[in-house]
Amino acid sequence: AQSVTQLDSQVPVFEEAPVELRCNYSSSVSVYLFWYVQYPNQGLQLLLKYLSGSTLVKGINGFEAEFNKSQTSFHLRKPSVHISDTAEYFCAVTTLGSSNTGKLIFGQGTTLQVKP
Amino acid sequence: DTEVTQTPKHLVMGMTNKKSLKCEQHMGHRAMYWYKQKAKKPPELMFVYSYEKLSINESVPSRFSPECPNSSLLNLHLHALQPEDSALYLCASSQSGTGNLVYYGYTFGSGTRLTVV
Repeated sequence: AQSVTQLDSQVPVFEEAPVELRCNYSSSVSVYLFWYVQYPNQGLQLLLKYLSGSTLVKGINGFEAEFNKSQTSFHLRKPSVHISDTAEYFCAVTTLGSSNTGKLIFGQGTTLQVKP
Repeated sequence: DTEVTQTPKHLVMGMTNKKSLKCEQHMGHRAMYWYKQKAKKPPELMFVYSYEKLSINESVPSRFSPECPNSSLLNLHLHALQPEDSALYLCASSQSGTGNLVYYGYTFGSGTRLTVV
């Protein structure tokens, strides 16, 4: 079975500072990895995804993430955050191949609080 | 069209009411999903439809009844709900669902916020 652990429930950071939101996963098979953002009272928006190829993935709004297979991690980074980045961030995983049931497994979420 | 549209955006219903949530996509996606999200929690999978057939039911109570009339439309019929069913209900779609088919990612709708009184 797959699982996702987001290591920080809340991350406070000042505006224009860099940020890293940490995500580790557990799976016995190959996976697809995702980061989603959820603004208050809205649905989930895809920030970026890792399917294959380059381990450094660039997404929308200046975010990027690095897939590290040996450490089973997929941490999200942004070099300079804005007030508007304040939101809930979810890391998620689904499996490849014959074990792919279409089920997306989410981490518990990290609240990014950007302060002026 | 690259969106998943959910209606209504807000719904208040009594415990004896019958209501339906609607989800629509025109991206040609063949897998569609219902998720339930409580406040400050991640979304929880309820149902998966793949090629208009129900492929996963995550032991959801029968007061929730999904329906997939065609490849673009997904409904969730609600009956005799409890106050603890109040939540944000999210619909999502993806290019393919099960098996070895190539997968490109999920698109979520903005959700229906349901309040059961």
